Amino acid sequence: QVQLVESGGGVVQPGGSLTLSCAASGFTFSNYGMHWVRHAPGKGLEWVSFIRLDGISKYYADSVKGRFTISRDNSKNTLYLQMSSLEAEDTAVYYCAKDVRIGVYDYWGQGTLVTVSS
Amino acid sequence: EIVLTQSPATLSLSPGERATLSCRASQSVSTYLAWYQQKPGQAPRLLIYDASNRATGIPARFSGSGSGTDFTLTISSLEPEDFAVYYCQQRVNWPPLTFGGGTKVEIK
Repeated sequence: QVQLVESGGGVVQPGGSLTLSCAASGFTFSNYGMHWVRHAPGKGLEWVSFIRLDGISKYYADSVKGRFTISRDNSKNTLYLQMSSLEAEDTAVYYCAKDVRIGVYDYWGQGTLVTVSS
Repeated sequence: EIVLTQSPATLSLSPGERATLSCRASQSVSTYLAWYQQKPGQAPRLLIYDASNRATGIPARFSGSGSGTDFTLTISSLEPEDFAVYYCQQRVNWPPLTFGGGTKVEIK
């Protein structure tokens, strides 16, 4: 069965950096695009970033552009999100999600919490 | 950026009742609209994609309709496990992929 397991969340100070990972199993990872979506406390869902299956084309929300970098290692079935210059507004549960047709997420991980606080 | 507005913000209903949730787009999204269900502490779950297609394993009591700017998610008879927050999301014009603000379906 499809499994997506995020890791790497934690508490970080404003201006700090963190890298999230998403380990995928149960499907051919290299055949699918992947997304990061976040859920801030008390707010709705927000799409963060998308990487196509080849790992070359990458897309970002304006709120994270220039600060976050999405990448993937198809040999390790792993998706990454490098986050830098973190702000309090980046505090959220971060989910990785599998793309079944561009922009439709058919499987999600359980999420990893990122807290940006001094 | 396409803005999705969901209404109502909260829907108070009893098990067995019919739930009708609305999602309105700021411009046409054709039928490129999905619905997700999220329960507290859980990841979202895909219910409906491309306006009216049920995802794998989703019960028939969930149905989606609409095109252009107005969409509806209908739950024909609420089961206890259906009380949750529901989000619509568009994929016609991206980036960014955008979500609505959510509708909470709560037990009356």
